[in-house]
Amino acid sequence: GESVGLHLPTLSVQEGDNSIINCAYSNSASDYFIWYKQESGKGPQFIIDIRSNMDKRQGQRVTVLLNKTVKHLSLQIAATQPGDSAVYFCAENLMGNNRKLIWGLGTSLAVNP
Amino acid sequence: GAVVSQHPSRVICKSGTSVKIECRSLDFQATTMFWYRQFPKKSLMLMATSNEGSKATYEQGVEKDKFLINHASLTLSTLTVTSAHPEDSSFYICSAASSGYSNQPQHFGDGTRLSIL
Repeated sequence: GESVGLHLPTLSVQEGDNSIINCAYSNSASDYFIWYKQESGKGPQFIIDIRSNMDKRQGQRVTVLLNKTVKHLSLQIAATQPGDSAVYFCAENLMGNNRKLIWGLGTSLAVNP
Repeated sequence: GAVVSQHPSRVICKSGTSVKIECRSLDFQATTMFWYRQFPKKSLMLMATSNEGSKATYEQGVEKDKFLINHASLTLSTLTVTSAHPEDSSFYICSAASSGYSNQPQHFGDGTRLSIL
């Protein structure tokens, strides 16, 4: 459903701290998950993805954790920098759904210098 | 790699005008492209899935005669907002998925800010 009237969740962290952004996904049949970063006035930028046969994947300064038991996805950003300030979206791909993504509501990350 | 170019980035026009937005995959072939609409501080709302060489698949509630989609080649899809009205003002974003394996991320253009006066 649409989150009319709800504010975008916000996470505020100090520069240099680690950030953890959480996402509860909707469908146990989803087999592929992606994190995107969206800066103001721009399109979403791919950060990292993970397939359902994995529970952890690491990239440069980012780690994605997948817990299929509770349908939970998280994005960890190490040593958060001001340039990490953006809205972060998780997205899930339902198996066999022709690559259509189901999008989370987004979390706004604010990094304080 | 995986660069998607969207043009124009911003359009301001009068009510009743038709506006065409282009989405190009610059360094890969995309059999499937997606068109989204995004309202301020909201998530992306899928409007339609564009498949090369065939008709687009529209999401429920999206008027296909209002939002015309053409995906004539593996690198170009266009969205035309016909007879645009102020309520069509929004941020429109396209994405492209490369041909081949299904578990590949969509890559996004930088969006088009459409303002109808």
